[in-house]
Amino acid sequence: DQQVKQNSPSLSVQEGRISILNCDYTNSMFDYFLWYKKYPAEGPTFLISISSIKDKNEDGRFTVFLNKSAKHLSLHIVPSQPGDSAVYFCAAPNSGGSNYKLTFGKGTLLTVNP
Amino acid sequence: DAGVIQSPRHEVTEMGQEVTLRCKLISGHNSLFWYRQTMMRGLELLIYFNNNVPIDDSGMPEDRFSAKMPNASFSTLKIQPSEPRDSAVYFCASSRQSNQPQHFGDGTRLSIL
Repeated sequence: DQQVKQNSPSLSVQEGRISILNCDYTNSMFDYFLWYKKYPAEGPTFLISISSIKDKNEDGRFTVFLNKSAKHLSLHIVPSQPGDSAVYFCAAPNSGGSNYKLTFGKGTLLTVNP
Repeated sequence: DAGVIQSPRHEVTEMGQEVTLRCKLISGHNSLFWYRQTMMRGLELLIYFNNNVPIDDSGMPEDRFSAKMPNASFSTLKIQPSEPRDSAVYFCASSRQSNQPQHFGDGTRLSIL
């Protein structure tokens, strides 16, 4: 049972345009979400997070939106740059005592074309 | 600051051999995580240590897998005997506290022939 789903395995956008990466979750107890970016042959790196008390968090070109009623979040990258080409993972920690345990989506491969 | 350091980066060995993966945490981090990434299952948590103590090993596949933290900055993940189905990328990650974003090493790509 996948509790965090990234239904698009890949996304291709033109440089300068907006990239929108989507993530759905099924566990209503999730109250915090993270996005990680992963380049080939490297480990995932933390990008941005959002708490369920907010519906938006912005950091430079990266904005994450959370829609709790739809159990959906999205990562917007504006403007997209070729260096943003990577696999993006959505993740959520368990609530309560096992909040160390992250459930990851399968990832979306973003390709930004020059 | 040095990040999480994993070694080796690549390991190719024959089934039945013992495999040892190594991880050096970021200084000052007290939480250590071992993950396995496969195409089928994505990133899965194998084991979590806090202050050198194993807290959750529910993700360890079977008794062939074992992990240790002999000190606050170093951990090993051992597979004995190894099997072809153990082939995957193994990541180590650390965090300052358990509920803070985890910092990942670059992984060990393991191939068991």
